[in-house]
Amino acid sequence: EDQVTQSPEALRLQEGESSSLNCSYTVSGLRGLFWYRQDPGKGPEFLFTLYSAGEEKEKERLKATLTKKESFLHITAPKPEDSATYLCAVTDGGATNKLIFGTGTLLAVQP
Amino acid sequence: DAMVIQNPRYQVTQFGKPVTLSCSQTLNHNVMYWYQQKSSQAPKLLFHYYDKDFNNEADTPDNFQSRRPNTSFCFLDIRSPGLGDAAMYLCATSREGGRGTGTGARNTQYFGPGTRLTVL
Repeated sequence: EDQVTQSPEALRLQEGESSSLNCSYTVSGLRGLFWYRQDPGKGPEFLFTLYSAGEEKEKERLKATLTKKESFLHITAPKPEDSATYLCAVTDGGATNKLIFGTGTLLAVQP
Repeated sequence: DAMVIQNPRYQVTQFGKPVTLSCSQTLNHNVMYWYQQKSSQAPKLLFHYYDKDFNNEADTPDNFQSRRPNTSFCFLDIRSPGLGDAAMYLCATSREGGRGTGTGARNTQYFGPGTRLTVL
């Protein structure tokens, strides 16, 4: 059964304190791993798509990496505006292109 | 800017009173999805349309139905809302789905801002 596990559930950082969020996955034939940012009361905002082991993508202070079993979202020198829930999802590209989500990591960055 | 729009952003209904939520997109994507997200939980797929083809998830209650009259619009109908249906409802789109050449950016899903449904 396809499954996504994210850790930690919650993370509190000081402004400028770099860290990483983990997403472990089990899927039969990965056709995409996706990172989203979700602010309270809003829909998920797309960040990155990764498709093959070794792939990396960057956007401002965020960098996503992918191995055959997990993905990391590295946050370098975070700012308070980076505070949000970060969701990881995978798809096997099956008939529905269904996203299997993890339960997210709630990140709080304190000034 | 191309985008996914949901209306209304907040919807209050009474127990058992039918309600319709709306989603529109300017991305010209083939696939539209409806997800339900309850507090502190991951989004859960209810159903999706690949063009005009409707695909229901096996565990989606019969109380939930959907219509897609054209490429741009998709509606979620809840026939008799119960207290357990209070949630955020998210619409998403992708250029292709699993039946297409769904790799690369073509199967990335883009979400709207959501509709928060309250059932009294």
